[in-house]
Amino acid sequence: EVQLVESGGGLVQPGGSLRLSCAASGFTFSNYWMSWVRQAPGKGLEWVATIKPDGGDKYYVDSMKGRLTLSRDNARNSLFLQMTSLRVEDTAIYYCARVDTTSSKDFWGQGTLVTVSS
Amino acid sequence: DIQMIQSPSSLSASVGDRVTIICRASQNIGSYLNWYQQKPGKAPKLLIYLASTLQDGVPSRFSGSESGTEFTLTISSLQPEDFATYYCQQTSTTFETFGQGTKVE
Repeated sequence: EVQLVESGGGLVQPGGSLRLSCAASGFTFSNYWMSWVRQAPGKGLEWVATIKPDGGDKYYVDSMKGRLTLSRDNARNSLFLQMTSLRVEDTAIYYCARVDTTSSKDFWGQGTLVTVSS
Repeated sequence: DIQMIQSPSSLSASVGDRVTIICRASQNIGSYLNWYQQKPGKAPKLLIYLASTLQDGVPSRFSGSESGTEFTLTISSLQPEDFATYYCQQTSTTFETFGQGTKVE
């Protein structure tokens, strides 16, 4: 059974940093592109970042470019999102998602809440 | 960036109704259009990919179609478990974008 479990969310002050993790199981993690998608409270979905299976290519949403570092550890079946210079508007649930060969997101984690507030 | 415009933003329907949600892309995206269902407090669930292919396990009352840059999600006979918010998503470029969502209530 495919499982994605996010962790690392919490309350952080504006300008602070946070590192999110996503633990994957039930599939060959090293074969798949992986993404992060976020959802601000009461709002819609927003794609955040995507990483290639070997970690070589990474893509980021313009609004967070320069403040994000996406990485993965295929030996540990884990995905990471380092976020810096966080802003109030970055407050959201951050979901980890597996990218299917058709580029759809076929499996999602339960999400981890990031709250940026003073 | 490619903009995805969904309509309506919300709709009121009853069990048994036929429901149609439209998503328009600001430019050509081929068939790289996905539909997701999200219930309150839950992660999104993939319903349809490549505009019209049903994800495994999704009931056949859900269907998708395309005409140029206009994409349609249809629920042929709304069931109680279908009350949720639906999102379209384009993945024709690496910089993906979602529609703003349609709440079915």
